[in-house]
Amino acid sequence: EVQLVQSGGVVVQPGESLRLSCAGSGFTFYESTMYWVRQAPGKSLEWVSLISWDGEKKYYADSVKGRFTISRDNSKNSLSLQMSSLRSEDTAWYYCARGASSGFLTSWGQGTLVTVSS
Amino acid sequence: DIQMTQSPSTLSASVGDRVTITCRASQKINTWLAWYQHKPGKAPKLLIHTASMLQSGVPSRFSGSGSGTDFTLTISSLQPDDYATYFCQHYHTYPWTFGQGTRVEIK
Repeated sequence: EVQLVQSGGVVVQPGESLRLSCAGSGFTFYESTMYWVRQAPGKSLEWVSLISWDGEKKYYADSVKGRFTISRDNSKNSLSLQMSSLRSEDTAWYYCARGASSGFLTSWGQGTLVTVSS
Repeated sequence: DIQMTQSPSTLSASVGDRVTITCRASQKINTWLAWYQHKPGKAPKLLIHTASMLQSGVPSRFSGSGSGTDFTLTISSLQPDDYATYFCQHYHTYPWTFGQGTRVEIK
């Protein structure tokens, strides 16, 4: 069974940094393109970032470019999202997902609630 | 960016009803479209990819159609487990974007 287990929710202040993690199992993690998607309260889903199977290709949404960094450790089947200079508008449920290289998302984690508030 | 517009935003239906949700892209995306089901507190679930390809394990009452800019998700006979929010997503070019969601409620 494919599982993506994410770290717990957290509250941070504006301007602070935070690292999200996601542990994959039940599939060949090192062959999979991995993604982060978020959903702000009352809003639709928003694609945030993706990383290729080998970590060589990384893409970001304009809303997070320069502030967020995606990474992976295939030896540990883990995916991370380093978030810095956090803003109130970054408040959202963050989901890690496994996807096809073409772009649809085949499996999702349970989500991590990130709240940015003073 | 390609905008995805879903309709309706909310839909009330009874068990056994045929339900249709539409998704329109602001420009042509061939068949680079997926549909997801999302229930509160749970991970979203892939239903359909490439506009009409049923994901493994998804019940056959779900189907997708369309190409270019106009797409449809159909549930042939609504079941109690199907009450959820449904999202479309294009993956034609970066950035990939989602529709605003269609909430299917009990009538």
